[in-house]
Amino acid sequence: DIQMTQSPSSLSASVGDRVTITCRASQDISNYLGWFQQKPGKAPKSLIYGASSLQSGVPSKFSGSKSGTDFTLTISDLQPEDFATYYCQQYKSYPLTFGGGTKVEIK
Amino acid sequence: QLQLQESGPGLVKPWETLSLTCTVSGGSINSNSHYWGWIRQPPGKELEWIGNIYYSGSTNYSPSLKSRVTISVDTSNNQFSLKLNSVTAADTAVYYCTRREFYRTPDIWGQGTLVTVS
Repeated sequence: DIQMTQSPSSLSASVGDRVTITCRASQDISNYLGWFQQKPGKAPKSLIYGASSLQSGVPSKFSGSKSGTDFTLTISDLQPEDFATYYCQQYKSYPLTFGGGTKVEIK
Repeated sequence: QLQLQESGPGLVKPWETLSLTCTVSGGSINSNSHYWGWIRQPPGKELEWIGNIYYSGSTNYSPSLKSRVTISVDTSNNQFSLKLNSVTAADTAVYYCTRREFYRTPDIWGQGTLVTVS
């Protein structure tokens, strides 16, 4: 199985901040990486696929990038509705695997 | 707009079979470019992929659950289903059904249904 190591597990930030979350794959997954946002009691929402492509309707404040086997989700101008838990997922090969999640909290 | 809705018992006894159905509305399950899948999340924990199925019936399962899982599709009713045998408390989770386009992550999720094993 491909292991996805996500960091940090939590972070505190203020409204207006720019935050970065990282996911590292245990082997090459090309660009087969997606990011999700999950709010308490809700289903995850897909933000990004293909490491950097925005899902339809997702604001451009969310962006994704890749460097080697490291992937980054950046959220610009953090707003109250962005405080949530974020997960990465690889879909290069079965079984599909998720990172452990990053909880973004209000400072 | 396509929507997914999970249904099934919210309480299952240990060692029995968990059965859930996902109903697809606003679109057809007979898609040659999508997978239909299940993902679960134990309370307070991370997401776990269970498996997926193509409308033709071809399946892929998580190796850790493969011996106990069956995912099937009912194209006539626009539904797909999950069966998980011999459940224990460790199978207590919110179960989500999903749609995933080829070469993409799941883009449509059901609201999720909590299944408690007790």
